[in-house]
Amino acid sequence: QSALTQPASVSGSPGQSITISCTGTSSDVGGSKYVSWYQQHPGKAPKLLIYDVSTRPPGVSNRFSGSKSGNTASLTISGVQAEDEADYYCNSYTTPSTPKWIFGGGTKLTVL
Amino acid sequence: QVQLVESGGGVVQPGGSLRLSCAASGFTFRIYVMHWVRQAPGKGLEWVAAIWDDGTNKQYADSVKGRFTISRDNSKNSLYLQVNSPRAEDTAVYYCTRGIGEMQLGDYWGQGALVTVSS
Repeated sequence: QSALTQPASVSGSPGQSITISCTGTSSDVGGSKYVSWYQQHPGKAPKLLIYDVSTRPPGVSNRFSGSKSGNTASLTISGVQAEDEADYYCNSYTTPSTPKWIFGGGTKLTVL
Repeated sequence: QVQLVESGGGVVQPGGSLRLSCAASGFTFRIYVMHWVRQAPGKGLEWVAAIWDDGTNKQYADSVKGRFTISRDNSKNSLYLQVNSPRAEDTAVYYCTRGIGEMQLGDYWGQGALVTVSS
């Protein structure tokens, strides 16, 4: 199964809002309530930002929000800050006969 | 606080074997689904394997099925990944991560263990 499709890179100036898309199929993103997003700074482990499509864990800034429409999930960062410069990955539980999990290819956010 | 600490990484020859360990603390390990996720140098994240709380249900990515084995010892709060017949493309940082319910992963991650497959 191929990775979920994310843009390779996005950029924004401080204070702007940016959105990262994550496109799959009806067998994963479109058919799942279980989409999550992670932030990864260079040389560090990933950090959970969003789960259950749009739920933020405790301690994650409310500048991060998630949504889904059809086969595409989205992560929006409102008021981008310099420390948001990182790689972002989406993940979906898949719904074939046996459970699997699939990541997006990752998006590099550059803060201008 | 929740901690996951991987160990056992290193250089392994193609066709050899290696076992990764993940020591868990700060939570009730025996009730959580646990996962291994890897990241090849300069590449994205790839889910590798999952094991349910009692160890009876295990799932694998197609890329490692038949070569890797996930296991756990709830009495030792430990997760394992047995890597057999590794290939060059298995070179990666391997992370252990805790499940969120049965359907999601990654609310806590270890620091990762680097496995390099090379002769």
